Amino acid sequence: EVQLVQSGAEVKKPGESLKISCKGSGYSFTSYWIGWVRQMPGKGLEWMGIIYPGDSDTRYSPSFQGQVTISADKSISTAYLQWSSLKASDTAMYYCARRYCSSTSCPYYFDYWGQGTLVTVSS
Amino acid sequence: SYELTQPLSVSVALGQTARITCGGNNIGSKNVHWYQQKPGQAPVLVIYRDSNRPSGIPERFSGSNSGNTATLTISRAQAGDEADYYCQVWDSINWVFGGGTKLTVL
Repeated sequence: EVQLVQSGAEVKKPGESLKISCKGSGYSFTSYWIGWVRQMPGKGLEWMGIIYPGDSDTRYSPSFQGQVTISADKSISTAYLQWSSLKASDTAMYYCARRYCSSTSCPYYFDYWGQGTLVTVSS
Repeated sequence: SYELTQPLSVSVALGQTARITCGGNNIGSKNVHWYQQKPGQAPVLVIYRDSNRPSGIPERFSGSNSGNTATLTISRAQAGDEADYYCQVWDSINWVFGGGTKLTVL
């Protein structure tokens, strides 16, 4: 069974750093892209970026480039999303999701999602 | 950047057919995917590549895409279909989501 299990909720102060995680299991972690999606309170879904754990090829949404860092450790089947200096506006639910791939192609949709990590940034 | 427009809300009577639209410039030339998100839960893929259902998704869910509008159709709507629905495309740079539509089953 494919599973993406995310780290627990975080409460941080503005200016602090943070790294949240997403552990994949039940499939070949290095063969599928993992994306990150933000959902601010009461709002819609926003794509942040995506990483291919096999070679760490990473792409960012222009809206999030320079604001966050996406990484992966394939030895432990885990992807990460990190901030160096949080702002109150980073308060949101963050989801990781697996990009579907067949044997011949990787179309642009997510077939499995993590349960989400709630990040609250408040002084 | 490419934009997707969805109605904020759609209401449907129990057992009737709900249609949720997703508008975009020449969206018919793109592959459209749909996600269902129930309160407090992660999104779930319900339609991929315009009209395909993942395993486990009821046949009541169907999709179409032509011209400037993609449509998610939910037949014989049930109370359990109440959720937010998001369309999504790839615009060659970004993964783009629509703003979401809240489906209410009356």
